[in-house]
Amino acid sequence: KNEVEQSPQNLTAQEGEFITINCSYSVGISALHWLQQHPGGGIVSLFMLSSGKKKHGRLIATINIQEKHSSLHITASHPRDSAVYICAVTNYGGSQGNLIFGKGTKLSVKP
Amino acid sequence: EPEVTQTPSHQVTQMGQEVILRCVPISNHLYFYWYRQILGQKVEFLVSFYNNEISEKSEIFDDQFSVERPDGSNFTLKIRSTKLEDSAMYFCASVHAAQQGLPGYTGELFFGEGSRLTVL
Repeated sequence: KNEVEQSPQNLTAQEGEFITINCSYSVGISALHWLQQHPGGGIVSLFMLSSGKKKHGRLIATINIQEKHSSLHITASHPRDSAVYICAVTNYGGSQGNLIFGKGTKLSVKP
Repeated sequence: EPEVTQTPSHQVTQMGQEVILRCVPISNHLYFYWYRQILGQKVEFLVSFYNNEISEKSEIFDDQFSVERPDGSNFTLKIRSTKLEDSAMYFCASVHAAQQGLPGYTGELFFGEGSRLTVL
């Protein structure tokens, strides 16, 4: 069983749509990260969450520790948002970068 | 904006050869990490490094792998005798502080662009 599960695996949206990507995890965590992997392969950190909600521009991330679930929302999606979005968790007590990764959600936003 | 840089961007090598992948972390960062992503698969943690020693490593990081910070700026991953299954993208990342409560902790990991290793 995967310790970090993401859904959906693939997502196609029209420009302007509201997008939600979900992440569930089965281990105790100290932090959850949302990452963006560009088509060229590079990885960028979007959010680190340990509780509640964070917002950055059109991106919103939420986490429910009791339910072991997090969501990444993109409002007013744009073709430049097309990328793979990866959820990753830090085991409780572990170093921040000792991450367990999900398989990623490949998002394609059509103009 | 400061960034993590990795070289080479792509390396092709013959099975059995030694490979060194290089990373230059952000200058005031203290914790360093290597990850691997086999094509089409998820990213996997390999090793973390702090204060000139390995602090955590995964099952993947066996005796064929080693890391060091030879000169205070570079952070290297060495694969001693490459196998076909070592073909992957290797990412380096760094942070200033690795745990909540430590000075400088922001929660943000900074990744390099990756080094693609192809073993023939």
